[in-house]
Amino acid sequence: DQQVKQNSPSLSVQEGRISILNCDYTNSMFDYFLWYKKYPAEGPTFLISISSIKDKNEDGRFTVFLNKSAKHLSLHIVPSQPGDSAVYFCAALPTGAGSYQLTFGKGTKLSVIP
Amino acid sequence: DTGVSQNPRHKITKRGQNVTFRCDPISEHNRLYWYRQTLGQGPEFLTYFQNEAQLEKSRLLSDRFSAERPKGSFSTLEIQRTEQGDSAMYLCAGGDFYEQYFGPGTRLTVT
Repeated sequence: DQQVKQNSPSLSVQEGRISILNCDYTNSMFDYFLWYKKYPAEGPTFLISISSIKDKNEDGRFTVFLNKSAKHLSLHIVPSQPGDSAVYFCAALPTGAGSYQLTFGKGTKLSVIP
Repeated sequence: DTGVSQNPRHKITKRGQNVTFRCDPISEHNRLYWYRQTLGQGPEFLTYFQNEAQLEKSRLLSDRFSAERPKGSFSTLEIQRTEQGDSAMYLCAGGDFYEQYFGPGTRLTVT
């Protein structure tokens, strides 16, 4: 059973507009969340993270929102650029259980159209 | 560039052969992780080391798989008697807090 779900396999956005990528989780032990970006034939690149004690974290064009009661998080990219086109993975950690085992979703492929 | 390097980048082997991959994290990374990624899936955790101690192992890590980090620096992942189902991208990551920084991966193809 998938504990981290990214229900949209793909997303297309016009350059300059906002991209919103969504992620849901089922395991209530997850308390630290990360987003990664992956280009073909490369390893995932860390983008931004958020602890469950926060509901928002911002880094430049990237903002992650966490809704603990809904077990939902989202990544906002504003403004979107063609170089943002990649597969985005949501990942979660149960740090309170002393585990460093990241559980990933299946990813969402973002295409930013010039 | 995360500074994490993996060798080789690609490996083609015949079923039944043994293969070994190497990962070199940066010196600041006291934790080292191995993941496996197949097409259309996110990376799946295999194992992790804190310095030279192997602290977590996934049930995906069958007895044909063994990982070592002998001096708390580089790590090796060996697969014995490879099977076609072992074909995947093997990813190594390093870190010293919760964030994990991935290398470029080793693409394994078992024919």
